[in-house]
Amino acid sequence: GAVVSQHPSRVICKSGTSVKIECRSLDFQATTMFWYRQFPKKSLMLMATSNEGSKATYEQGVEKDKFLINHASLTLSTLTVTSAHPEDSSFYICSATGGAGYEQYFGPGTRLTVT
Amino acid sequence: GNSVTQMEGPVTLSEEAFLTINCTYTATGYPSLFWYVQYPGEGLQLLLKATKADDKGSNKGFEATYRKETTSFHLEKGSVQVSDSAVYFCALSVSGGGADGLTFGKGTHLIIQP
Repeated sequence: GAVVSQHPSRVICKSGTSVKIECRSLDFQATTMFWYRQFPKKSLMLMATSNEGSKATYEQGVEKDKFLINHASLTLSTLTVTSAHPEDSSFYICSATGGAGYEQYFGPGTRLTVT
Repeated sequence: GNSVTQMEGPVTLSEEAFLTINCTYTATGYPSLFWYVQYPGEGLQLLLKATKADDKGSNKGFEATYRKETTSFHLEKGSVQVSDSAVYFCALSVSGGGADGLTFGKGTHLIIQP
């Protein structure tokens, strides 16, 4: 199957700083990428949908100014957590797809810890 | 809104036991239904899917049937192996999976003991 990578796999940052997470489709062109957040013992919650070259669409309750998403190419999307706080600590997972009707392929996730 | 409810674990079974993980859903329209599996340290992988009522998805000995009348998509396997130990997620999509994000259940941690 297709491969999606995320970098970094783990990151620790201080409160008030920003951190960027990259999501790459390694062997296919991803017209759409999704960002999810997973809390302990909770399901994955969709944060936003990004289409290449367009602004991301955020789910209700997700602060677009805090979670900046850029999908500048067909193989790369980035999620920047700005002015991070301890409550932003979580497991962030991206997925990528070639479009409607195609399977979503998931990255391995990034563990963010804000101290 | 859409939602998925699945049994929470951990579920611990002996090798060769029969497995059932229950999943029910609430959705507008006619969603597609999925089971994903997450092995330790890896990303979610699609295990099987069904796109319409009475469809049966199957893969690697796992099966699930889309039951519209009971809004369910229970995962079954006749004889589990230690290598099946993982976290299993039930999910739905109203667009078929590629155009919109998925709605997930909380995941069921399955532990198979030799």
